[in-house]
Amino acid sequence: GQSLEQPSEVTAVEGAIVQINCTYQTSGFYGLSWYQQHDGGAPTFLSYNALDGLEETGRFSSFLSRSDSYGYLLLQELQMKDSASYFCAVEEDSSYKLIFGSGTRLLVRP
Amino acid sequence: DTGVSQNPRHKITKRGQNVTFRCDPISEHNRLYWYRQTLGQGPEFLTYFQNEAQLEKSRLLSDRFSAERPKGSFSTLEIQRTEQGDSAMYLCASSFRTSGDANNEQFFGPGTRLTVL
Repeated sequence: GQSLEQPSEVTAVEGAIVQINCTYQTSGFYGLSWYQQHDGGAPTFLSYNALDGLEETGRFSSFLSRSDSYGYLLLQELQMKDSASYFCAVEEDSSYKLIFGSGTRLLVRP
Repeated sequence: DTGVSQNPRHKITKRGQNVTFRCDPISEHNRLYWYRQTLGQGPEFLTYFQNEAQLEKSRLLSDRFSAERPKGSFSTLEIQRTEQGDSAMYLCASSFRTSGDANNEQFFGPGTRLTVL
């Protein structure tokens, strides 16, 4: 079966750093993606890891360890606009369809 | 091109009625995906197209659901004999991906919110 585990909620202060973890169990693995979704909005792409290591894109970084079936999203210099839901998603085969976790709701407080 | 568009944005229907949704992907994208999302959950894969060919359909998808992508451009998702459990946000996403391509970003449309009374 398929399962992706991530915390349901995280709260942090503006300007701080937060890490959202994701562990997965899937039949195959091509890559791990992260998407952001504001209430009422569409998911938007943040980052992608196919190989082990850290990918950095501005204030956001994503890490992958394939041997541990684990990844995380790191958000630095948090801003109020970062309050949203964050989803990890696995591509498990060549269809590149996304298998999503249930999401982590991030609340950034002043 | 302003991105992926979906119509209608909202649909309210009575149980047992048929509904059809439309998705217009980004024009040069060869892959088109349909997902369904309920409150508090992540999107759930329904089906996908590469160009005009429907290559995979989720085992969770009943035969009341059908999708098409004529000419490899826009796509439609039809639900026949709707049930209250079909109430959800239906999301369409598109991407341009070839074999060995590491560019995996999927671009999502705003979704169609379906309410079945």
